[in-house]
Amino acid sequence: AQRVTQPEKLLSVFKGAPVELKCNYSYSGSPELFWYVQYSRQRLQLLLRHISRESIKGFTADLNKGETSFHLKKPFAQEEDSAMYYCALSGHAGGTSYGKLTFGQGTILTVHP
Amino acid sequence: EPEVTQTPSHQVTQMGQEVILRCVPISNHLYFYWYRQILGQKVEFLVSFYNNEISEKSEIFDDQFSVERPDGSNFTLKIRSTKLEDSAMYFCATKRGLQYEQYFGPGTRLTVT
Repeated sequence: AQRVTQPEKLLSVFKGAPVELKCNYSYSGSPELFWYVQYSRQRLQLLLRHISRESIKGFTADLNKGETSFHLKKPFAQEEDSAMYYCALSGHAGGTSYGKLTFGQGTILTVHP
Repeated sequence: EPEVTQTPSHQVTQMGQEVILRCVPISNHLYFYWYRQILGQKVEFLVSFYNNEISEKSEIFDDQFSVERPDGSNFTLKIRSTKLEDSAMYFCATKRGLQYEQYFGPGTRLTVT
């Protein structure tokens, strides 16, 4: 079974402060992990995926298989980062998985000026 | 940039009525998904569709639900006899191949009264 846990429903920081959105997962095979973001009144969009190992809008996330975590980090938060963030997991492509995503509950990030 | 579109944006229906939610995928995409999000809850996978058949479905996707691509372009989700608990935001997502990211539509808000 696939499960994703985001322990914080709400996270508030001030502009310029570091931010970390936590994500833990449970999956018996080799997972693919993603962070999706939903800005106010917009659709869900991919922020980053662990296999890309890239930084998008200053955000990074490292897959820690030992701790089964995929925390999202940014060293200096900006007001425009305020949004809902979802961590999601997919089974390894090409196996029996057809790419369904299992989402966490989401974390609402508010960056204050 | 091409986008997934969904119609209608909001549908109000009476309990027991049939509803059809429509999605227009990005043109070269081959994998199609429906998700739903009940207010205040997480985004949940309903069904995936590939090569004109269901590839995977969740426990939520019971006999009241069906999906099809009637004309090779639209991807539809039908709920035969709606219940109050079907009230949710329904998201369509599509992707080009298993290795690629899922692109989400803006969602259809279904309200069952």
